[in-house]
Amino acid sequence: DAKTTQPNSMESNEEEPVHLPCNHSTISGTDYIHWYRQLPSQGPEYVIHGLTSNVNNRMASLAIAEDRKSSTLILHRATLRDAAVYYCILRDARNTPLVFGKGTRLSVIA
Amino acid sequence: GAVVSQHPSRVICKSGTSVKIECRSLDFQATTMFWYRQFPKQSLMLMATSNEGSKATYEQGVEKDKFLINHASLTLSTLTVTSAHPEDSSFYICSARTQTGQNQPQHFGDGTRLSIL
Repeated sequence: DAKTTQPNSMESNEEEPVHLPCNHSTISGTDYIHWYRQLPSQGPEYVIHGLTSNVNNRMASLAIAEDRKSSTLILHRATLRDAAVYYCILRDARNTPLVFGKGTRLSVIA
Repeated sequence: GAVVSQHPSRVICKSGTSVKIECRSLDFQATTMFWYRQFPKQSLMLMATSNEGSKATYEQGVEKDKFLINHASLTLSTLTVTSAHPEDSSFYICSARTQTGQNQPQHFGDGTRLSIL
């Protein structure tokens, strides 16, 4: 899987929007962009994924750059429960297993 | 949504003991299951991939005789840490996926924290 680069940590105020960036300059045409998050002492949780177009679901939005070399996970209103490590992962269409990088540790301040 | 149940959530045992961890998909058939390990303040590391009814595929550096994986049914996979030692203490997480549809999400259990004394 192609490599992704994320900031080590970010901080947000409660009820503010959060934009979590991810760079993936070596992405291939068949790589999907996946986002997962891991709350403390739990297994990862699926957040969202996309290929080319922006995606929205009840948890978040995914904005994908036109050249697909970067993407941004958007949490529209951060809550204390959103404090977690967020992983941006590329996975090809062959459904290979997810390979986790270091992710971004998001802290939410009340 | 799809639920993966992992049991036990925590194990504390003496060095030399073998420990079995169960991973069940509760509301879907998991043709493929994955086992990960996570050390404190580190990311998840893939240990092995198992497909129902066949032998698991282990990642480089993971001893298959040390970490025995069985995936005998579409809803159950087990990981047995044989003759566990303190260096095997870690957070073990299973994950499951159906084969239907392209690029389906992986669903994760809540992990098993293994502490070897």
